[in-house]
Amino acid sequence: QQQVKQSPQSLIVQKGGISIINCAYENTAFDYFPWYQQFPGKGPALLIAIRPDVSEKKEGRFTISFNKSAKQFSLHIMDSQPGDSATYFCAASANYGQNFVFGPGTRLSVLP
Amino acid sequence: DVKVTQSSRYLVKRTGEKVFLECVQDMDHENMFWYRQDPGLGLRLIYFSYDVKMKEKGDIPEGYSVSREKKERFSLILESASTNQTSMYLCASRTGGSSNQPQHFGDGTRLSIL
Repeated sequence: QQQVKQSPQSLIVQKGGISIINCAYENTAFDYFPWYQQFPGKGPALLIAIRPDVSEKKEGRFTISFNKSAKQFSLHIMDSQPGDSATYFCAASANYGQNFVFGPGTRLSVLP
Repeated sequence: DVKVTQSSRYLVKRTGEKVFLECVQDMDHENMFWYRQDPGLGLRLIYFSYDVKMKEKGDIPEGYSVSREKKERFSLILESASTNQTSMYLCASRTGGSSNQPQHFGDGTRLSIL
C-alpha cells in the first residue's frame, strides 16, 4: 500500500512533442505529490508538486494532472526539448509522516 | 537556495571496510534522509532523522547505521562494506512539520565496493 507505481520505464519523444509519465498509488492518506527531475551526475531536484485539493497544476511547459478517485497522477511536458532529457520520479507523502515514497523513475529522451 | 553537500562524489572501498558517507545541509532543516539509488529500483530509504540524535529505520536499513550529532550533519555508516552495497547514495533534507514540503537532495556519492 506504500508503493507508488510509475510508467513507462523509458520514453523517447521527438522535439516539440508531448511527454506523458503516469503514476498510481494506493494509500489514500497521501496528500502531497511532487515530481523530481534528475540529470546524470546530479541529485533529484523538485520540478513541480500538487496537493489533492486541485486536479491540475501548471508551471510553464510542465503540468501535473491529478485524479483523486482513480488514485492516479501524471506529468505532462509540452513542447518537449532535448534539454528535458532526464530521469523523472514521482513521489507521494502523507501529512502524518515525514517520508516520501518514490516511483522507480522514467528515463526520458527527447530527440533533436 | 538550499544546499545539501555530500563529501565525496566517488568513493572506492574494499569488502569489509568501515565506510563513512557525510552529508551537510545549510538550511537548518530538521529532517534528513539517506537513500540509495539503483537502476530500475528508484530511490529506497535507508535511514532518516527527525532531529539531532534521533534516527529511524527506513525500508532497507540492514548493513547500515547513521549518526546525527549536529543538526546540519547526517552521516551514513557501512559497518562492514559488502559488494551488494555498491550503489549511488543520496542525502536529502527537508524542513520539519507538515509533509507538504519538498526534499532537497545532494548530488550523490557513487560508492564502489571491491
